Amino acid sequence: GDSVTQMEGPVTLSEEAFLTINCTYTATGYPSLFWYVQYPGEGLQLLLKATKADDKGSNKGFEATYRKETTSFHLEKGSVQVSDSAVYFCALRGKAAGNKLTFGGGTRVLVKP
Amino acid sequence: GAVVSQHPSRVICKSGTSVKIECRSLDFQATTMFWYRQFPKQSLMLMATSNEGSKATYEQGVEKDKFLINHASLTLSTLTVTSAHPEDSSFYICSAYNTASSYEQYFGPGTRLTVT
Repeated sequence: GDSVTQMEGPVTLSEEAFLTINCTYTATGYPSLFWYVQYPGEGLQLLLKATKADDKGSNKGFEATYRKETTSFHLEKGSVQVSDSAVYFCALRGKAAGNKLTFGGGTRVLVKP
Repeated sequence: GAVVSQHPSRVICKSGTSVKIECRSLDFQATTMFWYRQFPKQSLMLMATSNEGSKATYEQGVEKDKFLINHASLTLSTLTVTSAHPEDSSFYICSAYNTASSYEQYFGPGTRLTVT
């Protein structure tokens, strides 16, 4: 079945540092890929998405590129802020999954001033 | 647009009682809603898929008699935790499926259930 693997956290960074969170997936066909962010005590917010190979999703300074050859969708941000402290979830929606999302385990990011 | 609300945001109940959690899509119609459970510092576990006007589809291992789901309208789904026990304490999150927006799922803010 479909699965998503992302790097375990926590990831602790200083403000203005570069952030990378690795995400790889296993799925049949060509799934859509997502990054969601969860701030403390809240639900999930869609951060960005990509629906086909080589698509780049971007939002709020974050970027991720759909790499079919490496089955990856790594999240990057060039200069993080304290307000980026949150848990980040990589997810996929497979074509045959009834539009269900499959989530990775989540990566907690802590940005220190 | 595409706002999903949940009510209540927090609830504390005694063991053996039942608790109802509401999930509403505020500005769109959602034929499908999903209910997730999230344990502390863990990922989301899909519990069930709620379809308007029909029975919910439960994931393997989820007790349908314990977690009753009703999707009576295109904007409201409810999850009732029956005869709650402390092990049911968790963060419950719903999402609504917006067919008018590339099948995007929009998530509610979550409900923190504590069973004492």
